[in-house]
Amino acid sequence: GNSVTQMEGPVTLSEEAFLTINCTYTATGYPSLFWYVQYPGEGLQLLLKATKADDKGSNKGFEATYRKETTSFHLEKGSVQVSDSAVYFCALKTASGTYKYIFGTGTRLKVLA
Amino acid sequence: DVKVTQSSRYLVKRTGEKVFLECVQDMDHENMFWYRQDPGLGLRLIYFSYDVKMKEKGDIPEGYSVSREKKERFSLILESASTNQTSMYLCASSTDTSGHYGYTFGSGTRLTVV
Repeated sequence: GNSVTQMEGPVTLSEEAFLTINCTYTATGYPSLFWYVQYPGEGLQLLLKATKADDKGSNKGFEATYRKETTSFHLEKGSVQVSDSAVYFCALKTASGTYKYIFGTGTRLKVLA
Repeated sequence: DVKVTQSSRYLVKRTGEKVFLECVQDMDHENMFWYRQDPGLGLRLIYFSYDVKMKEKGDIPEGYSVSREKKERFSLILESASTNQTSMYLCASSTDTSGHYGYTFGSGTRLTVV
């Protein structure tokens, strides 16, 4: 079946460090891939997305590239800030017309000043 | 700015009570969803609706029901609340099945059943 696997957290970094959060997926066909962010006490917000292989999604300094050959969609940021502390969710939606998305379990990021 | 609004941020209910969680979206989206979020388990889909009066079970529907009488409103009902339903509940909506636009989420309702 379809699934998303994220690296377990928490991830703790110092301000201005480089961030990578790994995400791999299993899906039939060519799914769309997403990263969502959840700040403390809030719902999830769409951070970035990619809808086909080799696409790069980017937003707020975060990037992720849709790698079909490795079935991955790793989230990266060159220099994290304290305000990036949040939980990050990788998600996919298959192209088969189903309405629902499949989420990873989330990775908590804590950035220290 | 488009919005999904959940009526309560925090709720405390007693075991056995009937609980209603309300969600309203102003984007004219066809699809609406209820998830629960628990530590270590991520988001699990309870129910979703792709049209008015239409509903489908998600992955964990037991103990829940839903109602969608109008396009903009999707209600989650806990028929008889139990302590294992203590959780964060997230409502979301989307406009299409293509996957290009993602979900829009509400801010969540943290429900505690005592």
